[in-house]
Amino acid sequence: SQTIHQWPATLVQPVGSPLSLECTVEGTSNPNLYWYRQAAGRGLQLLFYSVGIGQISSEVPQNLSASRPQDRQFILSSKKLLLSDSGFYLCAWRGWGGRKSGANVLTFGAGSRLTVL
Amino acid sequence: QQQVKQSPQSLIVQKGGISIINCAYENTAFDYFPWYQQFPGKGPALLIAIRPDVSEKKEGRFTISFNKSAKQFSLHIMDSQPGDSATYFCAASREDTGNQFYFGTGTSLTVIP
Repeated sequence: SQTIHQWPATLVQPVGSPLSLECTVEGTSNPNLYWYRQAAGRGLQLLFYSVGIGQISSEVPQNLSASRPQDRQFILSSKKLLLSDSGFYLCAWRGWGGRKSGANVLTFGAGSRLTVL
Repeated sequence: QQQVKQSPQSLIVQKGGISIINCAYENTAFDYFPWYQQFPGKGPALLIAIRPDVSEKKEGRFTISFNKSAKQFSLHIMDSQPGDSATYFCAASREDTGNQFYFGTGTSLTVIP
């Protein structure tokens, strides 16, 4: 079965410091991978998605970047964090959900909560 | 432009009542409509999904009603329970291009015992 891991789960960082959030997927190959951000009490904002190694599409210009150095690894980074980068970051992968769903479904990780002070 | 519009933003229901959340979409090319349930501090989890070739799908107490002509779909939670208290997101995507899932803004459901 497929599993998705995100770390760290919680992070408190000062303004201006760098950021690295990591996501890995197990049990599948060449998945579509996504980074979403969820501000407090808000919806899901798509930040980046990747259809393969080294292929990154950015949805919202901002202080963040993403990389996919390996097939099942997706990294979200920043060189200098801003207060507005605080939020709940979710990694997700898109893959076949099986006969019950009959479709390619989006499966989320447990999330990484970032607080920038 | 918001591809998927969701309402209400928040909902309070008595235990045993029916919770109804509505979504509307613009792009008629969408062919997959999932609902996600998110508990505080957790990632969203797929709850139930529907394709436009059917008008209703039921799984236990959860039902999706789909109106293709109106470009609307809704989630009904029958016999709502306090454990159903969570944020619910509707979404839409295309299976053929499929790189993006468009999410609604979420509905915070509180079920009062």
